Order: sequence, then C-alpha cells, then structure tokens
Amino acid sequence: QTVVTQEPSLTVSPGGTVTLTCASSTGAVTSGYYPNWFQQKPGQAPRSLLYSTNNKHSWTPARFSGSLLGGKAALTLSGVQPEDEAEYYCLLYYGGSWVFGGGTKLTVL
Amino acid sequence: EVQLVESGGDLVQPGRSLRLSCSTSGFTFGDYSMSWVRQAPGKGLEWVGFIRIRAYGATTHYAASVKGRFTISRDDSKSIAYLQMNSLKTEDTAVYYCTRGPDSPIDYWGQGTLVTVSS
Repeated sequence: QTVVTQEPSLTVSPGGTVTLTCASSTGAVTSGYYPNWFQQKPGQAPRSLLYSTNNKHSWTPARFSGSLLGGKAALTLSGVQPEDEAEYYCLLYYGGSWVFGGGTKLTVL
Repeated sequence: EVQLVESGGDLVQPGRSLRLSCSTSGFTFGDYSMSWVRQAPGKGLEWVGFIRIRAYGATTHYAASVKGRFTISRDDSKSIAYLQMNSLKTEDTAVYYCTRGPDSPIDYWGQGTLVTVSS
C-alpha cells in the first residue's frame, strides 16, 4: 500500500513564507510522479493549483510555486495572504494510479 | 466556460448499487480523460479512478479500494462521464467529485455529489 505523507498542519504569519512537502513511501519523489497540488477551503470543492511539479494554471496566484526538495515534492507560498488559509493536498502518479497525500491544514495567524 | 456537474448522489443501503453522472460543457469532452475523486466526511481526498479518451481505448484505472466494484464509463456524444458503484459499503460514504484529467493537467472540478451508504 503506497502512502503519500504531508505535514498535518502548519502555521504561517501573513506576509510570510511557508513550504509544504509531499513524500512517497516508495522513495524519493521525482518529476516522473507528476506532482499536483490542490487547495480546498471548508465547504468547497478542491481547486487545482499546480501540475507536473511546478506548472501553474491560469488562475494560480504567482505567490504559489512548486519544486522538488530533498526527495519530496514541495509547495511554497511566498507573501502569504489571509485567504490562503485552507487544506492543501498533493497528488502523485504511480504508473496508472494516483494517490493523494493526507493533506496539510495551513493556518494563517 | 468549462463546467462539470455531478449528479446521482443519494442515500443507499449497503450492498446496493448507484450510478453517478458528471455532465460537462464548455470543452470538447472526447479530447479529455476524466477522473473521479471522493472525500469521506471530515477526511481527505481519495482518488477513485479515471477513464482515458477513446483514442487510448477508453481504458480505465481504479484505486484498489474500489477495483472490481466500481466502473467508470463515458458517453462522448452526451459529454458525460459515469461512475457505476456496485456492492456499496458504508465506507464508500463520501462526496464524489469528477475532474478533468489526468492525461491532461487535472484542472477543473465539479461541485460534488453526496453518496451516503447506510441501512
């Protein structure tokens, strides 16, 4: 059973920078896992933020960026805004199947 | 404008079946793979499966938790994706979302439809 692990929760101050990570139980995450990142606010459907590690959708704010960091996929928010408070999920590809991480609850305080 | 609208969610008894629909508009449906993702109450997202485009044989891939019980299909003439759920279990209770992708970037999501499996 493949497990994708994210930090359960993180707290950041407005205007600050925070990095969320996404690890795979199978080993280092590479570009071949096509990491995706999603944002979900309470009572809403998820919203796609990034795909294939670091590619943004047309609606993705510039302060969101993706990378590979220390064997993990990473989502960095620079200049955090109050509206960035949400749950963030990563998604990794495993040769035909996809697995979500457990999510990171980001608090802006 | 791209739109995805799920329907068909309901309260159903364990062991019964249910079919969800994902009606789409605003894009050429036949050019895109389509996925289903679910979220149990208070829990995280779980990938359910996806169906490829007809050019790739409309092949399907499923999560282990639903394989053999759930079937994804598509009707390109109606721009609708389906999720047929058989032998439902209480642990299948969730909001079910359809999304465009993943052979193309996973981008647009529907608003979800609630399936409750309970006696």
